[in-house]
Amino acid sequence: GAVVSQHPSWVICKSGTSVKIECRSLDFQATTMFWYRQFPKQSLMLMATSNEGSKATYEQGVEKDKFLINHASLTLSTLTVTSAHPEDSSFYICSARDLLAGGTYEQYFGPGTRLTVT
Amino acid sequence: KQEVTQIPAALSVPEGENLVLNCSFTDSAIYNLQWFRQDPGKGLTSLLLIQSSQREQTSGRLNASLDKSSGRSTLYIAASQPGDSATYLCAVPGAGSYQLTFGKGTKLSVIP
Repeated sequence: GAVVSQHPSWVICKSGTSVKIECRSLDFQATTMFWYRQFPKQSLMLMATSNEGSKATYEQGVEKDKFLINHASLTLSTLTVTSAHPEDSSFYICSARDLLAGGTYEQYFGPGTRLTVT
Repeated sequence: KQEVTQIPAALSVPEGENLVLNCSFTDSAIYNLQWFRQDPGKGLTSLLLIQSSQREQTSGRLNASLDKSSGRSTLYIAASQPGDSATYLCAVPGAGSYQLTFGKGTKLSVIP
């Protein structure tokens, strides 16, 4: 199956600093990628949809100025958590959408990035 | 708004048992349904994707069924093994979009 990578796999940062997380589709081109966050023992919550070459679409309640998304190429999307605070500590997972034969899509997920803000 | 429910929330079975995980969704206008596996602290691994025109998909010891009209899907795991221990998530695209809505998952523990 298709492979999606994330970097870094974990990061610890101080409150007030910014952190960038990369999501790459390794063997396919993805015009659309998704960013999720997952709190302990909770399911994934969609944060935003990242579209190559255009602005991201954010879900209700997600601050676009705090979670900056850039989808500069067909294989790379980045999520920057600006001025991070301890409440931003979470597991961030990206996915990339691949077009299947027949015209439907399947999403492939990255391994996730554990962010801890101290 | 699409809502996905998974029952049970947790399940513990002895090794070798066959088991069924359940998923229900409120809006039957879906393109497909995916079952994922998540190990602790890890990302998601796609197990099976069922197109809306299909009734079931099989991969090894896994079999997933889909009944769109009733808004239900089941994941059947045959001859369970300790390595099957993980959280299993089902997800469907929202109405009119490809954005996935996830259930809260079923945490499976297979006891050796």
